[in-house]
Amino acid sequence: DAGVIQSPRHEVTEMGQEVTLRCKPISGHDYLFWYRQTMMRGLELLIYFNNNVPIDDSGMPEDRFSAKMPNASFSTLKIQPSEPRDSAVYFCASSPQTGSGANVLTFGAGSRLTVL
Amino acid sequence: EDKVVQSPLSLVVHEGDTVTLNCSYEVTNFRSLLWYKQEKKAPTFLFMLTSSGIEKKSGRLSSILDKKELFSILNITATQTGDSAIYLCAYHYGGSQGNLIFGKGTKLSVKP
Repeated sequence: DAGVIQSPRHEVTEMGQEVTLRCKPISGHDYLFWYRQTMMRGLELLIYFNNNVPIDDSGMPEDRFSAKMPNASFSTLKIQPSEPRDSAVYFCASSPQTGSGANVLTFGAGSRLTVL
Repeated sequence: EDKVVQSPLSLVVHEGDTVTLNCSYEVTNFRSLLWYKQEKKAPTFLFMLTSSGIEKKSGRLSSILDKKELFSILNITATQTGDSAIYLCAYHYGGSQGNLIFGKGTKLSVKP
């Protein structure tokens, strides 16, 4: 398996623009997570899905953030409009529901977002 | 208030040294504690600990959990420059896989 695939790897945009980050989880994994990492706050969970259904979005900072998972192999995290304080590395991760790998998240390489 | 506290925040050692990284956590329906290594990209899984006193070992890395005192340590012996990374501790609680809280990490730098 190619692992968790994220795109784009780097994004530089201007304040007010819409940003869409994409994620392809590992095939067969039932859970998908979106995290944000900054120097100040570390890794923060934004939202996670189980079998394509959002379970907990309490970490989403505000209404400007939205996430979807239309099928088992694709998820998006959208920020509209973007602000400079959204600059961070956004990670997608997935895990199986059962088996030896349950509860162990596999992370993608991350999308580094810079909002000017 | 942070639920997972790691110490030290950063550490500089020389090759061959042994290091101990610390992680303390808040207890609320504890399920497991995980250690990850983050180099330039994604965090990669090292260990998952669920029982007190049972050491997990992988090569020069080892980890142990103390559920009574609510902490875990990660030991690295005979450090190498390739061990330079941020080491993240995460505490898993409750009934859902999503309930995973990360500490801010310990940045380890190993000098030749």
